[in-house]
Amino acid sequence: NAGVTQTPKFQVLKTGQSMTLQCAQDMNHEYMSWYRQDPGMGLRLIHYSVGAGITDQGEVPNGYNVSRSTTEDFPLRLLSAAPSQTSVYFCASSGVDGGPYNEQFFGPGTRLTVL
Amino acid sequence: GDSVTQMEGPVTLSEEAFLTINCTYTATGYPSLFWYVQYPGEGLQLLLKATKADDKGSNKGFEATYRKETTSFHLEKGSVQVSDSAVYFCALKETNAGKSTFGDGTTLTVKP
Repeated sequence: NAGVTQTPKFQVLKTGQSMTLQCAQDMNHEYMSWYRQDPGMGLRLIHYSVGAGITDQGEVPNGYNVSRSTTEDFPLRLLSAAPSQTSVYFCASSGVDGGPYNEQFFGPGTRLTVL
Repeated sequence: GDSVTQMEGPVTLSEEAFLTINCTYTATGYPSLFWYVQYPGEGLQLLLKATKADDKGSNKGFEATYRKETTSFHLEKGSVQVSDSAVYFCALKETNAGKSTFGDGTTLTVKP
């Protein structure tokens, strides 16, 4: 199993540009999440999904969109990039509670810089 | 809402010292509790977990006990190594919530 994969690993954008961060998992997990990590601020939840076709907002959703058309994929779209979105983005997935793998499995991250 | 409070860092220890990183939580239900570790340039990975009160999670010499009465899940290791230098995150996950709540992380540096 590849686990959770994210592309790209690094990205530089200009203010106002849009882009999609890709996330895929091959563990048949129902739950998927997107976080951003900024120095001194831990992990902040952007959006999450409890299954295909179902998404919800997290703590810092403004400026980001998500969709979940399949169990495997959970892309994050930046609509109009701003310097405040410079961060490291992590995608994570987990199995349902009551099963053996209710912990989150994280991807390697995407390091985004907005100029 | 749910919240996790971690001991502020950074923490610097000498090799073979005893480690404690405090973690307390606030939750409405009966969450699972986790410790994750992040090495430089990498994503988080699970270190240990506990799914119900009084459970003890353990891995690689680290351990933590789910204390419902004190709403705590403190991380301990009896003898740290240089290779334990990393950022440690405490987290909780409510049943069927589909998302986790993380503490701010504690940076541990172990010196030879």
